[in-house]
Formats: sequence, C-alpha cells, structure tokens
Amino acid sequence: AQTVTQSQPEMSVQEAETVTLSCTYDTSESNYYLFWYKQPPSRQMILVIRQEAYKQQNATENRFSVNFQKAAKSFSLKISDSQLGDTAMYFCAFMKFDFGNEKLTFGTGTRLTIIP
Amino acid sequence: EPEVTQTPSHQVTQMGQEVILRCVPISNHLYFYWYRQILGQKVEFLVSFYNNEISEKSEIFDDQFSVERPDGSNFTLKIRSTKLEDSAMYFCASTSWLNTEAFFGQGTRLTVV
Repeated sequence: AQTVTQSQPEMSVQEAETVTLSCTYDTSESNYYLFWYKQPPSRQMILVIRQEAYKQQNATENRFSVNFQKAAKSFSLKISDSQLGDTAMYFCAFMKFDFGNEKLTFGTGTRLTIIP
Repeated sequence: EPEVTQTPSHQVTQMGQEVILRCVPISNHLYFYWYRQILGQKVEFLVSFYNNEISEKSEIFDDQFSVERPDGSNFTLKIRSTKLEDSAMYFCASTSWLNTEAFFGQGTRLTVV
C-alpha cells in the first residue's frame, strides 16, 4: 500500500514571496504519478500540477513548480510570487498506474495562508 | 470546459435514513470514483468503478454503501442506513482512458443528525 506524508500542517507567507510545501511518499511501484491539489474554502478540489514518475524533468505550471526526487521519494511544491488567491489547503497525492482503477492516495494536507 | 457535476450540494438527513448522492461525470470518461473527506481531515478513497463494476473498494466502503450507473450518465453513491460518522464531504471524480488527471465535482456536504 502507498502512503503520502505531508509534515507541515500549516504554513504562512507574505504576499509575493516564495513558499515550498513538502511531501514524501512510500511505494514499491515503479510506474506512478504524483499530484498537488488545491482546496480553497469552497472545498472544490483543483489540480495544480502533475508529475509522471518516469519523467526526470520537474513539472512546472506558471508560478507552480515541483522538485521531484524519485530516489528520495520526495515531491515538493514551490509557489513563486505568491498571491492572496493561493490561500487554501494543499494536498499531495499519489496514483499508481492501473487501468480502470487509478485511485488517488492523499496526504493530510498543508493549510497555506498568504498574508497581505 | 467539461466538468463533473454533483447534486445536491448539501444534504441533511436523519440517522438511519437512506441517502443517494448523485454525480454526472464528464461524458467521455470511463472511470469513476467516490472519495470522502471528514471535516478537517484528508480526502479518502471509497470506491472505483469501471465497465459497470466496482474495480476496488476501501475498508470504509462496507455493506451500507453501494454505487451504480443507472442510465449511462449518472453515477450514484447510496448509503443505506446513515450513521452520524457518515457526515462528511463526498466527492465524485472521473478520468478518461489514458488520461491520469482526475476531474472532481464540487462535492456534496452530507450532514447526518
């Protein structure tokens, strides 16, 4: 079974600064995907960024980027030039590649607050 | 942009009553999921569904729970006899073939009183 660990329950940062959220995972699988989801106060789950484990290059999506360290089983999210709208819960998630059953295993989340 | 739609957004039910949560996945998606999030806790997998069958279910998904896709568009989660601890946000999600991005609905907040 897979486990996902987010060791920072809460973080806060000044607007326009950079913040990094940590995530580690444990798996014996070789083919998998990692995700960061954002959950604002509306509680909608919004995909922020995705990383395929077979890709060495770190994924980037505008102000969001990841540092994927496969050997260390680490998958951190960096938010640059943070904005007030980034205030939300952030969940790291793992997906094993398995046709018809690509369930997500989530971490416990990090509550991020951007301070004006 | 296509989206997953869940109804109702909020459901209040008495303990012991049956409740059905409804989801309309994205039309060309083939794989469907239900997740649960108890307030303040992490999102937990309940069940996955493909080709009109359950692919996998978690320990949470006991005999009180069932899923079906009655008409090719709706995907429902039924809780037969609700308990207080079933109070949570329930999310439906769907994915397409070879696309690993799970699209989530906006959730149904279930309150059991």
